[in-house]
Amino acid sequence: QVQLVQSGAEVKKPGASVKLSCKASGYTFTNYYINWVRQATGQRLEWMGWMDPNSGDAGYAQKFQGGITLTRNTSIRTAYMELSSLRSDDTAVYYCARGGVPGSSAWNYFDYWGQGALVTVSS
Amino acid sequence: DIVMTQSPDSLAVSLGERATIHCKSSQSVFYSSNNKNQLAWYQQKPGQPPKLLIYWASIRESGVPDRFSGSGSGTDFSLTISSLQAEDVAVYYCQQFYNTPQTFGQGTKVEIK
Repeated sequence: QVQLVQSGAEVKKPGASVKLSCKASGYTFTNYYINWVRQATGQRLEWMGWMDPNSGDAGYAQKFQGGITLTRNTSIRTAYMELSSLRSDDTAVYYCARGGVPGSSAWNYFDYWGQGALVTVSS
Repeated sequence: DIVMTQSPDSLAVSLGERATIHCKSSQSVFYSSNNKNQLAWYQQKPGQPPKLLIYWASIRESGVPDRFSGSGSGTDFSLTISSLQAEDVAVYYCQQFYNTPQTFGQGTKVEIK
């Protein structure tokens, strides 16, 4: 069955960077976009960006441009999200989610989600 | 950015009764190239990731009970639970994937009356 398994919780100081992983199984990793979505406590879901695991191409929400990098390692079917210059308002649960098929629109619904990783930014 | 606004913010319904959630987008999310509304609905229970219920506004995801249905077009959409069950207590979100950034509604909390 399709699974996305994320790395664990992180605690970071303001100004630091964090790199989260998302390991895919149960399907061909390069056949679907991976997206990242975050959710601060009590807040709505916030889409951050997409990555094509086949090509490595990525697209980011303008809000996160310059601060986010999406990468992947196809040999271990794992996607990564690195967020830099962390601030306290980056404290949130971060999810990876499977999107559409490369070659079609990068904008799509998300049919499988990782379990989420809590990132706490605090001095 | 397309703003997604859900109503109500919370909803208390008796077991077995109908629950309807509304979602309005600030611009049309109908994509003429594929003749589909680029709108999805998710269910999120505490401590869990969102679960896809409905995509393209009205297509039920595999395995989702048929008491869940989606309707609407253009800018106005709704999610209906025809007969509320205890396990349906959750927060429900709509999402537009018409353009970037993909955006979500603020969520509607469904509880048992």
